[in-house]
Amino acid sequence: GAGVSQSPSNKVTEKGKDVELRCDPISGHTALYWYRQSLGQGLEFLIYFQGNSAPDKSGLPSDRFSAERTGGSVSTLTIQRTQQEDSAVYLCASSLQTRQPQHFGDGTRLSIL
Amino acid sequence: AQSVSQHNHHVILSEAASLELGCNYSYGGTVNLFWYVQYPGQHLQLLLKYFSGDPLVKGIKGFEAEFIKSKFSFNLRKPSVQWSDTAEYFCAVNAQRDDKIIFGKGTRLHILP
Repeated sequence: GAGVSQSPSNKVTEKGKDVELRCDPISGHTALYWYRQSLGQGLEFLIYFQGNSAPDKSGLPSDRFSAERTGGSVSTLTIQRTQQEDSAVYLCASSLQTRQPQHFGDGTRLSIL
Repeated sequence: AQSVSQHNHHVILSEAASLELGCNYSYGGTVNLFWYVQYPGQHLQLLLKYFSGDPLVKGIKGFEAEFIKSKFSFNLRKPSVQWSDTAEYFCAVNAQRDDKIIFGKGTRLHILP
C-alpha cells in the first residue's frame, strides 16, 4: 500500500527565498508530524497535527516556519526567508493516532546556498 | 520537558558480535517507548515498541529491548549482529500525557564484514 509521500525529494534554493515542502500521509492516519533531521542532531520535532485539533507548534524554531494541514490530509511546511542553517532533511510522519508508531516518508533534503 | 539520551553516537562491531545500544529518557510518568532504524538510503522504520506489559520487547530482525523503569532506560540488544544491521538507530519516547514523540540523536552502527 501507499506510504507517506513527500515532495520534492530534493530542493536547492538561494538564501532569502521561501520554500514549501509537501507531505501526503497514509490514508486514514489522523496524526501528522514534521521533523527536521540534521547531521548529528537526530530528529528535531517541529509540529504535529491531530485530526481537527489545533496543531502543536511548540517545536518550530522561528516565526519563519509555518505549517498547515488541509482537510485533515495533505500538509505543507513553509519556510520563509530561508537561511543557511535551515539546510537539513525535513521528515514527515503519520500515524493512526498520536502516540502510535509512526510511518515516515523519505524526506525532503533542503539545501540553502 | 522530555528528553532522550543515546549514549553512543557511533558503534563499530564485527559480524557475530553482541550489540547493546543505550537509551535513557527523562520523564517520571508513564511512557511509550520506541526504537526506529534507518538503513542507508531508506526511510525510518519501526524496529520495536513498548506500551505496557512484559518489559522485554521483541522486534523485527532479532532485535529486542528491555524497559527498566527504575533506570529510565530502554536499551536495544541483539545477540549476534549481521553486516545488514549497518544503519542508524533512534530511540524515541512519548509521555502518555503528551502527544509528542521525542527522538534521541541516534546511534550510527557500522558492522564490519
